[in-house]
Amino acid sequence: EADIYQTPRYLVIGTGKKITLECSQTMGHDKMYWYQQDPGMELHLIHYSYGVNSTEKGDLSSESTVSRIRTEHFPLTLESARPSHTSQYLCASSRRAVNEQFFGPGTRLTVL
Amino acid sequence: EDQVTQSPEALRLQEGESSSLNCSYTVSGLRGLFWYRQDPGKGPEFLFTLYSAGEEKEKERLKATLTKKESFLHITAPKPEDSATYLCAVQPTGNQFYFGTGTSLTVIP
Repeated sequence: EADIYQTPRYLVIGTGKKITLECSQTMGHDKMYWYQQDPGMELHLIHYSYGVNSTEKGDLSSESTVSRIRTEHFPLTLESARPSHTSQYLCASSRRAVNEQFFGPGTRLTVL
Repeated sequence: EDQVTQSPEALRLQEGESSSLNCSYTVSGLRGLFWYRQDPGKGPEFLFTLYSAGEEKEKERLKATLTKKESFLHITAPKPEDSATYLCAVQPTGNQFYFGTGTSLTVIP
């Protein structure tokens, strides 16, 4: 079973708040990803990283930022949350040479 | 444009009634095609990776196959615990992954 963790699992906040969604993995994977998933819709890539100090934007950067200071940690920050950010956020990781991704349980974010 | 389409959107089967899910794709070169299972409120769980046309992978009641334009996930004699949403994703040449919207499978006892 994959060891990738996300906190919090659920979050309800008001518009304009700054939030950070946490993601950690204990598998030593180089690659990490953030996706956004709405009900009945496909996963959209927000950000990805190929290693420490490496970050790239996906198709849906979603006015968010990420950092990769340690291999195991890949937090996602929303500087000013809006109702349009209400969604499920999924973190994933994979080994460099093998591309299947292992997903965390997700964070369900609601912005009022 | 890279695109992934899954069909049907939803499928209801009686326990033991075999069927297949479809994933059609158009990509500029294929590095890999992936199948995932997702239960409500959880992250996707990896099932299979297929790399080239003609390749097949099996796991318990599931079998995935790949052609140059589509992949099938065959479910043989399904059980209620196989109920979930099954997602297909492709990785073209490049760094991104493209996911389909999934097939929601319900297996009725």
